[in-house]
Amino acid sequence: NAGVTQTPKFQVLKTGQSMTLQCAQDMNHEYMSWYRQDPGMGLRLIHYSVGAGITDQGEVPNGYNVSRSTTEDFPLRLLSAAPSQTSVYFCASRPSTGPATYEQYFGPGTRLTVT
Amino acid sequence: RKEVEQDPGPFNVPEGATVAFNCTYSNSASQSFFWYRQDCRKEPKLLMSVYSSGNEDGRFTAQLNRASQYISLLIRDSKLSDSATYLCVVRAGGGNKLTFGTGTQLKVEL
Repeated sequence: NAGVTQTPKFQVLKTGQSMTLQCAQDMNHEYMSWYRQDPGMGLRLIHYSVGAGITDQGEVPNGYNVSRSTTEDFPLRLLSAAPSQTSVYFCASRPSTGPATYEQYFGPGTRLTVT
Repeated sequence: RKEVEQDPGPFNVPEGATVAFNCTYSNSASQSFFWYRQDCRKEPKLLMSVYSSGNEDGRFTAQLNRASQYISLLIRDSKLSDSATYLCVVRAGGGNKLTFGTGTQLKVEL
């Protein structure tokens, strides 16, 4: 049981490049989300999904796209990287029912630098 | 006013000390509360949920004060391994959104 996995761990992009951050979970969780963490800002929600085929925007969605074709995978796409997107990105999942609802499991993070 | 506020610290305490952190929240309709722990350059991990009646897990005690809109985390007999950032997390009533505080840094020293 690997939990939540993310790739890559580190990435450097040039302004304007695009890329996809991968996220997968093997806990059969319906709810998945992407956060970015910046110093002094806390974790901010980018996009989330309540199940396969359903996605919605969080508080900072601009410049990012997501899709959810399976329960397990939730990739995050940066369309045209900007220096303001330099951050640490965390993918998370949690069950949507039961006593552990709202208890999030995070992946190890992707450190992204945009130059 | 921020939805969730924490004193960033750092709190520097000697090993064996008792330390407490508070976290205030602005939405009186908030329904679920959690403490997460985040080690340097690692992902956040759930430490404990906070129940209305308060709850304890070993050396850790969490309490909720709805009247004053804050939650607290008490750590007894601090260990070097407790050094980390502690994140307060709040869910507003009726929704899925979790709001994270910016965290309180704890450093336990010899």
